[in-house]
Amino acid sequence: SQKIEQNSEALNIQEGKTATLTCNYTNYSPAYLQWYRQDPGRGPVFLLLIRENEKEKRKERLKVTFDTTLKQSLFHITASQPADSATYLCALYSGNTPLVFGKGTRLSVIA
Amino acid sequence: DVKVTQSSRYLVKRTGEKVFLECVQDMDHENMFWYRQDPGLGLRLIYFSYDVKMKEKGDIPEGYSVSREKKERFSLILESASTNQTSMYLCASSLWGEGLNYGYTFGSGTRLTVV
Repeated sequence: SQKIEQNSEALNIQEGKTATLTCNYTNYSPAYLQWYRQDPGRGPVFLLLIRENEKEKRKERLKVTFDTTLKQSLFHITASQPADSATYLCALYSGNTPLVFGKGTRLSVIA
Repeated sequence: DVKVTQSSRYLVKRTGEKVFLECVQDMDHENMFWYRQDPGLGLRLIYFSYDVKMKEKGDIPEGYSVSREKKERFSLILESASTNQTSMYLCASSLWGEGLNYGYTFGSGTRLTVV
């Protein structure tokens, strides 16, 4: 069966360090993968998209990698700040169907 | 600033009531979606629509219906509310094709409690 797994339900990290979140999938052939940020009681907000033929994408302190052989995406936040504390969701797009979301990883950046 | 607006942030309804959740977007997006979000279960797709008057079932459509009479409005209907429909409901919209590069735009959500 198709599965998307975000390996950590929660991740705690010290301010200033790099946070790395993982998204693994099975039985999908995604055309691209997206990452979203969700704050408590709010809807998710789109951050980044990476296509299947791209290895890496950057936006300010954010970096996403996509390895279709490993079936994995890594999401990095460098120089993390307490304001980065939120839940981060990955989502796959395989074709003419809606996005499928992972369950998310709750990141806490400790000052 | 582009927006998806959900009519209520919090809603309390009684078991057996018919419940309407409204969603309006001002971005001229073709696609609209309804998800519910529960702790430990993540976002689950209820219904979606790629055009006016079109609707498609998602992963968990049972107990729900939808209406899309105008491009900007997508309504979710709980035909007879039950306690297991207590949840956070999220509406989203997106462009078609290459517009998906910009991701989905979500509303702030409606936290529905059925008592």
